[in-house]
Amino acid sequence: GAGVSQSPSNKVTEKGKDVELRCDPISGHTALYWYRQSLGQGLEFLIYFQGNSAPDKSGLPSDRFSAERTGGSVSTLTIQRTQQEDSAVYLCASTPGWEYNEQFFGPGTRLTVL
Amino acid sequence: DAKTTQPTSMDCAEGRAANLPCNHSTISGNEYVYWYRQIHSQGPQYIIHGLKNNETNEMASLIITEDRKSSTLILPHATLRDTAVYYCIVRPSTGNQFYFGTGTSLTVIP
Repeated sequence: GAGVSQSPSNKVTEKGKDVELRCDPISGHTALYWYRQSLGQGLEFLIYFQGNSAPDKSGLPSDRFSAERTGGSVSTLTIQRTQQEDSAVYLCASTPGWEYNEQFFGPGTRLTVL
Repeated sequence: DAKTTQPTSMDCAEGRAANLPCNHSTISGNEYVYWYRQIHSQGPQYIIHGLKNNETNEMASLIITEDRKSSTLILPHATLRDTAVYYCIVRPSTGNQFYFGTGTSLTVIP
């Protein structure tokens, strides 16, 4: 079956521009996570959605970052006024429920801010 | 905040067992230990998890010390395809965040 998909796979933008990154979770998965991975670093938690509950935004690094999840499925991570330090791979993962042990990751979006 | 400590890198000869250590001295009684790995340019992949008993699956074995302050992931017969970064994670008892830390970069040598 289809796994988690993310688009675009690569995004190059200029400093100050806004970008939108998309995540399509596995069908039926109610929990969705966004992570950021800078070059040579581990994964940094950004935000978590579970069903219709209020998202856990505790990992968002600044108010330039926001995310939505429409209809409990597709999620969009938006970065406004991008900075060079935003350059990273942005990973999305989904699970069938919040207590599920295994997270299923997408291939990531590599964002480069010039 | 990562709650685990792992060596930065390790080498292992192909066909030998790879033993990856992890310290989690502040683990709480109801927190699980998880292991994921990330092969270059891919998303992380779940390997195994456990609470206090040793666990084994088709990919690996997880040995947790009796005091639960450390654990070891064992890949019984390492292959070149096992070259990856291995993350040891302690899942918080509240919330649902996975703190991945920087992991151990394992290189399997022919």
